[in-house]
Amino acid sequence: AQSVTQPDIHITVSEGASLELRCNYSYGATPYLFWYVQSPGQGLQLLLKYFSGDTLVQGIKGFEAEFKRSQSSFNLRKPSVHWSDAAEYFCAVGAGRRALTFGSGTRLQVQP
Amino acid sequence: DAGVTQSPTHLIKTRGQQVTLRCSPKSGHDTVSWYQQALGQGPQFIFQYYEEEERQRGNFPDRFSGHQFPNYSSELNVNALLLGDSALYLCASSLWGGVSYEQYFGPGTRLTVT
Repeated sequence: AQSVTQPDIHITVSEGASLELRCNYSYGATPYLFWYVQSPGQGLQLLLKYFSGDTLVQGIKGFEAEFKRSQSSFNLRKPSVHWSDAAEYFCAVGAGRRALTFGSGTRLQVQP
Repeated sequence: DAGVTQSPTHLIKTRGQQVTLRCSPKSGHDTVSWYQQALGQGPQFIFQYYEEEERQRGNFPDRFSGHQFPNYSSELNVNALLLGDSALYLCASSLWGGVSYEQYFGPGTRLTVT
């Protein structure tokens, strides 16, 4: 069965500092990997996705993620965090038309 | 280009009652999936509809049922509501024959069961 682990429940960073959110997955085949962001009371917005090819993918809002097959990881990074990045971040795995399996999320707090 | 829309935004029901939530997919999409997001957790897949048929189903009881209409919109019905059904219900749309199978999410319906 597929699963996603986000080890960090809550992360606090200072504005302007770099950010890395961890995601580990378990999937029997080549996965499709996603990062979504959710602001309070809102739906999910897709930040970036990996299907194949270049293992470093760029997304919206200056985010990037690197797929490492050997480590079953898909960590999200941003070089300089803005106060508006404070939100809940979800990593998800799927394949083709199959339903997405989400991690439990990481809440990001940004200090001024 | 209209995104995914859901109605109502909020809903309060009593245990034992029934509820219907509605979703209109993003323009051009033909597949609708429903997810339940309990407080402090990630979304969990309920089921997926394409061509008015349920194509996949997650680990949810038969109290949860759905429907898709010819215009691709969808309904989620929950019978005999339990307190544990209180959650944010998210609808996601996608294109069945698409290359990327990206799912676009609506803003959700917040259901509170008292």
